Amino acid sequence: AQSVAQPEDQVNVAEGNPLTVKCTYSVSGNPYLFWYVQYPNRGLQFLLKYITGDNLVKGSYGFEAEFNKSQTSFHLKKPSALVSDSALYFCAVRDTNSNSGYALNFGKGTSLLVTP
Amino acid sequence: SAVISQKPSRDICQRGTSLTIQCQVDSQVTMMFWYRQQPGQSLTLIATANQGSEATYESGFVIDKFPISRPNLTFSTLTVSNMSPEDSSIYLCSVQPGGYGYTFGSGTRLTVV
Repeated sequence: AQSVAQPEDQVNVAEGNPLTVKCTYSVSGNPYLFWYVQYPNRGLQFLLKYITGDNLVKGSYGFEAEFNKSQTSFHLKKPSALVSDSALYFCAVRDTNSNSGYALNFGKGTSLLVTP
Repeated sequence: SAVISQKPSRDICQRGTSLTIQCQVDSQVTMMFWYRQQPGQSLTLIATANQGSEATYESGFVIDKFPISRPNLTFSTLTVSNMSPEDSSIYLCSVQPGGYGYTFGSGTRLTVV
């Protein structure tokens, strides 16, 4: 089954510093990878996705992610963190099982805390 | 991308009762997905609903507990039946309108007392 792992429960970073939220994947075939953010009491918001093409994917709110096939990673990055970036971040991979309708499988989530 | 209206946004229910959650999409979509997010946990797929056929449930989820309706290509309901406190979670619907993008509803925060 397609799966992703987020090794960090929480990431702390000071405002203005670069941030990285890690994600590794385990898939058969070509992975379709996604990042979502969840703010308190709100639904999931799409940040970016990798389907094919350039390994560096740019997304919403200044976020980007680098697809690394050799390391099976898809880390989320931002050059300069904002306090408002504090939220729960989920990495996800599209299932290849047609029975699930190609639903997304999510990592456990990483809580990002950006301090002033 | 599609816009999903999910209702109710939250509810507090007595154990043993049932709650029906609705998702209305502003465009026609083939598949609708229902997820559960238990407190402090990730999203777990409950089932996939295709219009005109029975929903496909993931391991650990059964139709008697989580019956799903999909009467047309823009609407679906999920019922949480005979609730217990362990059912307290956020329930989300999702669609894939095209282009490999997935859109999520705003979620239903359910508390069972």
